[in-house]
Amino acid sequence: DVKVTQSSRYLVKRTGEKVFLECVQDMDHENMFWYRQDPGLGLRLIYFSYDVKMKEKGDIPEGYSVSREKKERFSLILESASTNQTSMYLCASSYPSGQAYEQYFGPGTRLTVT
Amino acid sequence: GQSLEQPSEVTAVEGAIVQINCTYQTSGFYGLSWYQQHDGGAPTFLSYNALDGLEETGRFSSFLSRSDSYGYLLLQELQMKDSASYFCAVRDRGTGFQKLVFGTGTRLLVSP
Repeated sequence: DVKVTQSSRYLVKRTGEKVFLECVQDMDHENMFWYRQDPGLGLRLIYFSYDVKMKEKGDIPEGYSVSREKKERFSLILESASTNQTSMYLCASSYPSGQAYEQYFGPGTRLTVT
Repeated sequence: GQSLEQPSEVTAVEGAIVQINCTYQTSGFYGLSWYQQHDGGAPTFLSYNALDGLEETGRFSSFLSRSDSYGYLLLQELQMKDSASYFCAVRDRGTGFQKLVFGTGTRLLVSP
């Protein structure tokens, strides 16, 4: 069974803290994604990685960075958390090219920054 | 850039048929996907259309008209468990074929 896991379901951090969100997939997918989901705004892409150590900025990369040192693991880093980064964060993965229309999502991490 | 429009909310009763529309503007359309997300859950893939026409998967069907930049998801024989948010998402040349751009979602409420 296909699986994408995220390190935490709920996280509470203070303003200014460095925050790490981890995502692991067991499907040997080349592509991995980080989205944030806010009411009324849908899913917005933060960063995308198409291979180990390769990354592309998405629509809203400001205030975030990513790391992909191994194929199965994709980390999202909030360098200095701010209250406007309070959100649901979703990780996803997919095969490349012809099958990229089907993304597999993790359960999400609800991050609250106080 | 890309933009997608879908209704924010749709209501229906059990056993009915409901259609969720999605119109899009892209710089080089490649295909339209649909995802379902229950409250507190992860989005899950439902269907994908790259060519014009209807794709049927059980009670769910998805339609695409490339000339009209329009697609819809059709849910038949509605059940309470179909209450969820439904997102359309496009692949296009502008963002590269690897990525999806999601709409803002349609919340479907199914009542008894």
